Amino acid sequence: AQTVTQSQPEMSVQEAETVTLSCTYDTSESDYYLFWYKQPPSRQMILVIRQEAYKQQNATENRFSVNFQKAAKSFSLKISDSQLGDAAMYFCAAWGGGADGLTFGKGTHLIIQP
Amino acid sequence: NAGVTQTPKFRILKIGQSMTLQCTQDMNHNYMYWYRQDPGMGLKLIYYSVGAGITDKGEVPNGYNVSRSTTEDFPLRLELAAPSQTSVYFCASRGTKPYSNQPQHFGDGTRLSIL
Repeated sequence: AQTVTQSQPEMSVQEAETVTLSCTYDTSESDYYLFWYKQPPSRQMILVIRQEAYKQQNATENRFSVNFQKAAKSFSLKISDSQLGDAAMYFCAAWGGGADGLTFGKGTHLIIQP
Repeated sequence: NAGVTQTPKFRILKIGQSMTLQCTQDMNHNYMYWYRQDPGMGLKLIYYSVGAGITDKGEVPNGYNVSRSTTEDFPLRLELAAPSQTSVYFCASRGTKPYSNQPQHFGDGTRLSIL
């Protein structure tokens, strides 16, 4: 079983600047996976980035990157060169790799100021 | 390729009514999931299935039933609707490998209000 905590209910950033969203987790699994999902007002769940816990290298996807600190159980998302289209709810999620589903945090509402 | 399709998109029910939320996927995925998302919260797992004929409870299964007669379909049934079941419901599916980084593919959700 996993728990995921997102301590920032809302974040605001100026367009073109960089913002970091925080996430901490707890798990009893030795192998697990971590994800960031974006949920725009359309309520679609869009995968932003994923990280396998056994990989030391932090995942990157274009303007999105993570800072994965395994010992600290921290998994933050950095968005560089923020764009208006990045405005959304962002959910951190953990998965133990078995048949059951994802465990989500409560989300961070990201506001992009033009 | 439609991915994961949920119907209906919106529904209003009266207390005590029943209904089935439909979910179908065309990716031949073994694993399927139902989540609910309450206002201001993340998604919580209701039920999941690892293949046709096999289902199991998630974190919040009370008040719901599921079945999985085919690989493609995974309907969620509410037997006696209660106001506490007002939520947005998401169906998701994932590929065939039990331990991999294959992401879950989500449907667009069903917004359900119980009045």
